[in-house]
Amino acid sequence: AQSVTQLGSHVSVSEGALVLLRCNYSSSVPPYLFWYVQYPNQGLQLLLKYTTGATLVKGINGFEAEFKKSETSFHLTKPSAHMSDAAEYFCAVSGTYKYIFGTGTRLKVLA
Amino acid sequence: DAGVIQSPRHEVTEMGQEVTLRCKPISGHDYLFWYRQTMMRGLELLIYFNNNVPIDDSGMPEDRFSAKMPNASFSTLKIQPSEPRDSAVYFCASSTQDEKLFFGSGTQLSVL
Repeated sequence: AQSVTQLGSHVSVSEGALVLLRCNYSSSVPPYLFWYVQYPNQGLQLLLKYTTGATLVKGINGFEAEFKKSETSFHLTKPSAHMSDAAEYFCAVSGTYKYIFGTGTRLKVLA
Repeated sequence: DAGVIQSPRHEVTEMGQEVTLRCKPISGHDYLFWYRQTMMRGLELLIYFNNNVPIDDSGMPEDRFSAKMPNASFSTLKIQPSEPRDSAVYFCASSTQDEKLFFGSGTQLSVL
């Protein structure tokens, strides 16, 4: 069985500060891991995807995530937050087309 | 490409009425997914299709819910009869075999 846990339903950072959103997964098979972003009144948009190979995955808008098998983690980071990053972020695990989404982390960026 | 197109954007109906949500996936995508999003339960997969064939409908909550995909460019999700607890945002998404989901803008359903 697969599952995803996102630590922290709300995260606040100052503009220009590091963004770190945490995600831990559980999977009995090598997982596909994803991060999605949802802006108000919109559908989810893919930020990045990990399958196999390089453990550091670069995505859009300056985001990246590192797959750590030993820690079963896939945390999302961005070196410098921008006001436009304010949104809800979802971690997800898949492998058989049945995505399991985390509960989401709402990111607030303070001016 | 226009992306995944859903209609209507908003639907307000009364309990007991039939509701039909529509989705046009991205051309060339052979997987189509219906999700429901609520504050309490988050994002739930209701059903997904591959090449117009339903593969897994284990997330469909009750027999009141049904989904069809008559061709590669159109799918519907029907609720009959609707109940207040069905109020949610319903998303359609499509993908190729790379499993990268492209979501529509959703249908905000309110059942009074």
